Amino acid sequence: GENVEQHPSTLSVQEGDSAVIKCTYSDSASNYFPWYKQELGKRPQLIIDIRSNVGEKKDQRIAVTLNKTAKHFSLHITETQPEDSAVYFCAASGYGNKLVFGAGTILRVKS
Amino acid sequence: DSGVTQTPKHLITATGQRVTLRCSPRSGDLSVYWYQQSLDQGLQFLIQYYNGEERAKGNILERFSAQQFPDLHSELNLSSLELGDSALYFCASSVETGYEQYFGPGTRLTVT
Repeated sequence: GENVEQHPSTLSVQEGDSAVIKCTYSDSASNYFPWYKQELGKRPQLIIDIRSNVGEKKDQRIAVTLNKTAKHFSLHITETQPEDSAVYFCAASGYGNKLVFGAGTILRVKS
Repeated sequence: DSGVTQTPKHLITATGQRVTLRCSPRSGDLSVYWYQQSLDQGLQFLIQYYNGEERAKGNILERFSAQQFPDLHSELNLSSLELGDSALYFCASSVETGYEQYFGPGTRLTVT
């Protein structure tokens, strides 16, 4: 089955800097890659997603890139703000829409 | 607010007991998913229903079962509870398989 690895497990950045979180997946049939942000005690919130027919997608300060050949995808957050501090999860989904999640990255933005 | 609702918010029960968690999907969504989130296991997919029928199964224990009713709400039944079942249980919904999943606020289950 699908396996998703996520790095780093924790990331500290200074406010205004960029943050990059990387994920690799194992199943070449996976075709949908969402990213979720989860604040302490709250629901995972979909922040951006990408499908396998697209290499990059942007939404304001957030972007996701996908390299199908290497089977990895990354989340880029620019101009980080304290409210970006949270746990970020990547996920991959193929046939049957089973979302397999990475282990999560704790992002701390220091002001 | 994602539009997905879950009840109850918190549940405290004893080992060996049985509980039922309830989820109402977003209006128009036909698919419901259940996930378990514990500290050492991350977010684990349990089971998916689409328009009343089971569509996909993950690492769901035999002690756990779910169903989706004609009005599309879903229930997750957990029986013979063990301490290790303590976790956050999330429900998510999507309009169709392969589309964006939106999560509910979760039910925090504590087994003592």
